[in-house]
Amino acid sequence: IVLTQSPGTLSLSPGERATLSCRASQSVGSNYLAWYQQKPGQAPRVLIYGASTRATGIPDRFSGSASGTDFYLTISRLEPEDSAVYYCQHYANSPWTFGQGTKVEIK
Amino acid sequence: EVQLVESGGGLVQPGGSLRLSCAASGFTFSDYWMAWVRQAPGQGLEWVANINQDGGEKYFVDSVEGRLTISRDNAKNSLYLQISSLRAEDTAVYYCARVVRYSSGRADYGMDVWGPGTTVTVSS
Repeated sequence: IVLTQSPGTLSLSPGERATLSCRASQSVGSNYLAWYQQKPGQAPRVLIYGASTRATGIPDRFSGSASGTDFYLTISRLEPEDSAVYYCQHYANSPWTFGQGTKVEIK
Repeated sequence: EVQLVESGGGLVQPGGSLRLSCAASGFTFSDYWMAWVRQAPGQGLEWVANINQDGGEKYFVDSVEGRLTISRDNAKNSLYLQISSLRAEDTAVYYCARVVRYSSGRADYGMDVWGPGTTVTVSS
């Protein structure tokens, strides 16, 4: 399963809304898709699983949704610390795959 | 504190082999699937392999299957990844990660604990 993320880079101001897209080349089962955040020099952190459920400790400004094989991560009110690369990843079957990432820059 | 720490990376010549280790602490290691994920310099994340709790189930990314061995020692709370016939394209930071299943119903998984990574450089 190939995951294609768009856009490549998103440059927004604090307080703005960010919408990141992830399109799967085929079904990922019952929305078996997760989102991760990776800041420079750090390991990734899981944000969302099951396409829309926030992982423990993730602020409610992060939300996920799905429409068929299209998945979205929305950050409702950007904060400076949200500057990072965001990856989608499916776990519907093996091999697990990641999208290529969307970089979110805060102006 | 729940923690994973990788070791064993370094500079290796093409064609060589390497064994990476991941030491787990702060949780019951034998209760969890574990994974290796790698990241080439300036590139995205690539899932490499998974292993189940007793080591009886293993899955690998297609591109390196045959050159990889994933194993674990639950008595030592340790995860391992052996890579043989190393190529320049294996140069990456290798992360170990804990795989959590979020519910007993749906098969929702996530990699919820990660180590800081160990760097493997394949070069002559």
